[in-house]
Amino acid sequence: KAGVTQTPRYLIKTRGQQVTLSCSPISGHRSVSWYQQTPGQGLQFLFEYFSETQRNKGNFPGRFSGRQFSNSRSEMNVSTLELGDSALYLCASSPEVYGSEQYFGPGTRLTVT
Amino acid sequence: SQKIEQNSEALNIQEGKTATLTCNYTNYSPAYLQWYRQDPGRGPVFLLLIRENEKEKRKERLKVTFDTTLKQSLFHITASQPADSATYLCALDSNTGKLIFGQGTTLQVKP
Repeated sequence: KAGVTQTPRYLIKTRGQQVTLSCSPISGHRSVSWYQQTPGQGLQFLFEYFSETQRNKGNFPGRFSGRQFSNSRSEMNVSTLELGDSALYLCASSPEVYGSEQYFGPGTRLTVT
Repeated sequence: SQKIEQNSEALNIQEGKTATLTCNYTNYSPAYLQWYRQDPGRGPVFLLLIRENEKEKRKERLKVTFDTTLKQSLFHITASQPADSATYLCALDSNTGKLIFGQGTTLQVKP
């Protein structure tokens, strides 16, 4: 099976702009989670989707949003970018609803200037 | 508030020795705990999952223990090799689907 794919791999944006990141989960996985990873804060949970519904949300401002499509592919959007949004954004898919390992993609490296 | 603590300092060991990494948590009642490996510039890779009613789990050279009384998990790599050098992350979930990660411990295995 193909692994989790994320596009684009690298992005450079300017403060105030918005960005959309895409994630394709492993075939058959219906749960998709998004994380932000920075050197200072580590890996932080953004949100999790299952069957097109957001089930869980982390402690991030409303500028961070996401959605999941009927084919389980997911997108996350960050509006009004700030310098502090520079990070590695990771998507992970999971085969089960609960209590299952997560399979991570390679991430999208976002740099905000 | 909920807190997950892993050794912030890097762990340096000699090849062939057993590496032991610690994950402590407070104000949390996880249903299960997971360990991941992350190499620089890559996404984490799942290693082991242990449930709250399990004391120990093994997979090849890896062993994880879970003590819900001490609120601690230990992760062991026996007969360590330079290829085991990476950052190791523990993650907890209260059966909600929301994984909370520790900061990770960097392991360096010297030949």
